[in-house]
Amino acid sequence: GENVEQHPSTLSVQEGDSAVIKCTYSDSASNYFPWYKQELGKRPQLIIDIRSNVGEKKDQRIAVTLNKTAKHFSLHITETQPEDSAVYFCAASKDTGFQKLVFGTGTRLLVSP
Amino acid sequence: DSGVTQTPKHLITATGQRVTLRCSPRSGDLSVYWYQQSLDQGLQFLIHYYNGEERAKGNILERFSAQQFPDLHSELNLSSLELGDSALYFCASSVVQWGGELFFGEGSRLTVL
Repeated sequence: GENVEQHPSTLSVQEGDSAVIKCTYSDSASNYFPWYKQELGKRPQLIIDIRSNVGEKKDQRIAVTLNKTAKHFSLHITETQPEDSAVYFCAASKDTGFQKLVFGTGTRLLVSP
Repeated sequence: DSGVTQTPKHLITATGQRVTLRCSPRSGDLSVYWYQQSLDQGLQFLIHYYNGEERAKGNILERFSAQQFPDLHSELNLSSLELGDSALYFCASSVVQWGGELFFGEGSRLTVL
């Protein structure tokens, strides 16, 4: 089955800096890669996703890149703000068949003012 | 508010007991997922139902079972509880069967003493 590894487990940056979180997946047939943000004590929420027919997707200060050959994808946050502080989870699955959405272990991002 | 309702929000029980967690998905969503999140841990996939039928199963213990009813609400039953079952149990729903955004509920926090 699918296995997703996520690095780093914690990331501390200064406000205004960029943050990059990286994930690798094991199943080359996976084609759907979402990122979820979980603020302290709250539920996870989707912030961006990418499918395997594109290599990059941007939404304001966040972007996701996908390298299918290397089986890794990354989340990029530019101009970080204190409200970006949260745990970020990557995930991977196929979008057909009897598949499960497998999450990485999470990255705790701390943005210091 | 994601539109996904989970009850109870908090539950404290003793080892060996049985509990039932309930989830009502967003209106119109046919998919229901259950995830377990232990303290400072990631999101462990338990099971996925679509329109009443089981679609995928993760490393769900035999002591755990779930079902989705005709009205699309779902229940997760946990029996012979152990201390290690203490966790936050999330339900999430999606409008599609696979490869779509998951809308998480607020979670049910289970404490086993």
